[in-house]
Amino acid sequence: RKEVEQDPGPFNVPEGATVAFNCTYSNSASQSFFWYRQDCRKEPKLLMSVYSSGNEDGRFTAQLNRASQYISLLIRDSKLSDSATYLCVVNSRGSSNTGKLIFGQGTTLQVKP
Amino acid sequence: NAGVTQTPKFQVLKTGQSMTLQCAQDMNHEYMSWYRQDPGMGLRLIHYSVGAGITDQGEVPNGYNVSRSTTEDFPLRLLSAAPSQTSVYFCASSYSWRTYEQYFGPGTRLTVT
Repeated sequence: RKEVEQDPGPFNVPEGATVAFNCTYSNSASQSFFWYRQDCRKEPKLLMSVYSSGNEDGRFTAQLNRASQYISLLIRDSKLSDSATYLCVVNSRGSSNTGKLIFGQGTTLQVKP
Repeated sequence: NAGVTQTPKFQVLKTGQSMTLQCAQDMNHEYMSWYRQDPGMGLRLIHYSVGAGITDQGEVPNGYNVSRSTTEDFPLRLLSAAPSQTSVYFCASSYSWRTYEQYFGPGTRLTVT
C-alpha cells in the first residue's frame, strides 16, 4: 500500500462548481500535511498547509481527520484557472529518524466553461 | 536570489551511460530532496538530505547516488542509466522537513534510449 493515496481523477467540473478531493495516509505518526498544485509540465507549488483545526484560504478549504488518517481539499466556485493537478503531501519519519515528505499521485481537475 | 536551480533542463542518455543532475539552492535551506515524476505515478522520493553530510533513501533509491558536501548543493548521480529511468526529475528544498514549504526547481527531463 502506498503511504499517501489519492483518487487520480480526472475530475471534470463546470465553472462555479464545488469540488472536493480526498487523500489518505498510512503513517499515523505523520505530523505535517500540505496540498500542492502542479500545472502541466511545471514544478509543484505549495497551495496550502493543512492544520488540525482545518483552515481556509479564499475559495479553498483544507481539513484533517487524524483518527481516520484522511485529508481533504474543497474548492468552491471553481474557476477555469483552477485546472491543474492537486498533490497531497505528508511528512513521514525516515530510517535514520529524520524526516521525508511523501507525495500522493495527484488528482487532476479540469474546469470547463 | 535564484531559488532552486537545476541543470541540465533536458538530457538524452544511452543505456549504460552515467551522469550527474545538478541541484543548487541559495536560500540556506536545511532540507533537500530529489523526486522523479512519471505519468500516473505522481512524485516519488528518490533520496533526501536533512543537512550537509546527512542523506537518506526515499521510496525509489535504486540506481541513484547522492551526496551533500555543502548546504547549497545536492547532486543526483545515475550510475548506469536504464530506459526505466526515463522521467522528469525535480529537486526541492525547504527550511526544515517538519513544517515548511518546499521549493521546487524547474525539473530535468531525462530520456534514456
